Amino acid sequence: AQSVAQPEDQVNVAEGNPLTVKCTYSVSGNPYLFWYVQYPNRGLQFLLKYITGDNLVKGSYGFEAEFNKSQTSFHLKKPSALVSDSALYFCAVRDFAPSGTYKYIFGTGTRLKVLA
Amino acid sequence: EAGVAQSPRYKIIEKRQSVAFWCNPISGHATLYWYQQILGQGPKLLIQFQNNGVVDDSQLPKDRFSAERLKGVDSTLKIQPAKLEDSAVYLCASSRGGETQYFGPGTRLLVL
Repeated sequence: AQSVAQPEDQVNVAEGNPLTVKCTYSVSGNPYLFWYVQYPNRGLQFLLKYITGDNLVKGSYGFEAEFNKSQTSFHLKKPSALVSDSALYFCAVRDFAPSGTYKYIFGTGTRLKVLA
Repeated sequence: EAGVAQSPRYKIIEKRQSVAFWCNPISGHATLYWYQQILGQGPKLLIQFQNNGVVDDSQLPKDRFSAERLKGVDSTLKIQPAKLEDSAVYLCASSRGGETQYFGPGTRLLVL
């Protein structure tokens, strides 16, 4: 079965500095990987996804993620962090459901705190 | 394009009571998901519908949870009777088949 791991419960970064939120995956076959962000009292918002092609994926709000097959990683990055980026970030992988359709497996989440 | 709608946003009940949550997916999205998100954890899939049929309910506690998606559009998730450990945020999401999921704002349930 597919799985993702987010090794850091929390990441702190100063405003204006680059940020990285880590995600590693375990899949059989080609991975479909996603990043979502959750602000307080809100649902999850889609940031970006990797299906195939360029290893550097660009998404919403200036975020990007780098797919690294040899390291089985899909880290989320942003060149310059904003205080408003402070939120909970989830990595997810698409897996096959027993019925033959798809389901999504989410990581445990990483809380990003950007300090002014 | 309107997003995924959920109601209510908040609900407080006592244990052993029943509660129902409603979700209206994005128009044209055949796949609908219900997730349970306990504080500090990632979302856990409870049930997945493809149109009005269930395709995965392997993690749904069927002795107390039920869900339906009549007419393949909106959906209702019910808990009866509720337990303290059911306190969580219940998220609804929809997608076109296996493509990107879009989430509603969630319903925060507190069981006392």
